[in-house]
Amino acid sequence: AQSVTQPDIHITVSEGASLELRCNYSYGATPYLFWYVQSPGQGLQLLLKYFSGDTLVQGIKGFEAEFKRSQSSFNLRKPSVHWSDAAEYFCAVGAEEGQGAQKLVFGQGTRLTINP
Amino acid sequence: SAVISQKPSRDICQRGTSLTIQCQVDSQVTMMFWYRQQPGQSLTLIATANQGSEATYESGFVIDKFPISRPNLTFSTLTVSNMSPEDSSIYLCSVGRPNSYEQYFGPGTRLTVT
Repeated sequence: AQSVTQPDIHITVSEGASLELRCNYSYGATPYLFWYVQSPGQGLQLLLKYFSGDTLVQGIKGFEAEFKRSQSSFNLRKPSVHWSDAAEYFCAVGAEEGQGAQKLVFGQGTRLTINP
Repeated sequence: SAVISQKPSRDICQRGTSLTIQCQVDSQVTMMFWYRQQPGQSLTLIATANQGSEATYESGFVIDKFPISRPNLTFSTLTVSNMSPEDSSIYLCSVGRPNSYEQYFGPGTRLTVT
């Protein structure tokens, strides 16, 4: 079965510093991969997605992620974080179940705190 | 992406009662999903609600506890029945794009059961 692991439960970085959030997935075929962000009290917003092609994908809010098949990873990066980036970040993989049902399997999330 | 709204945004309910959560989308969509997010946890899929068919429930979730309606392509409801404090969670609906796995989420309904 498909699974997603986010090894870091909580990360703290200083404003202006670079950021990398880790995501590892388990899936037999080429995965559909996503990063979502959830600000306090809000729903989930799609940051970026990978389906195929260029392994470095650009998203909204200055985020990017790199798909590495050899490492089964899809890490999220940002060169310089802003205080408004403080939120919960979820990595997800698309999983096809019986009868063509298409679902997302989410990681446990990484809480990002920004120090001023 | 679709604009998704949920009602209510939050509620405090007594145990043993039921709450119906509404999800409205500004465009017609085939695939809708309902998730539960328990405090400090990730998202768990409750069921898939595709228009024109019965909802498909995930392991651990049953229709008697979480009945779902999908009367048309822009609207769905999830009812949390006979609530207990363990049902205190954020409930989110999402819509999917066929053949892409991409999903867009509503703002969520924060439910507290006392």
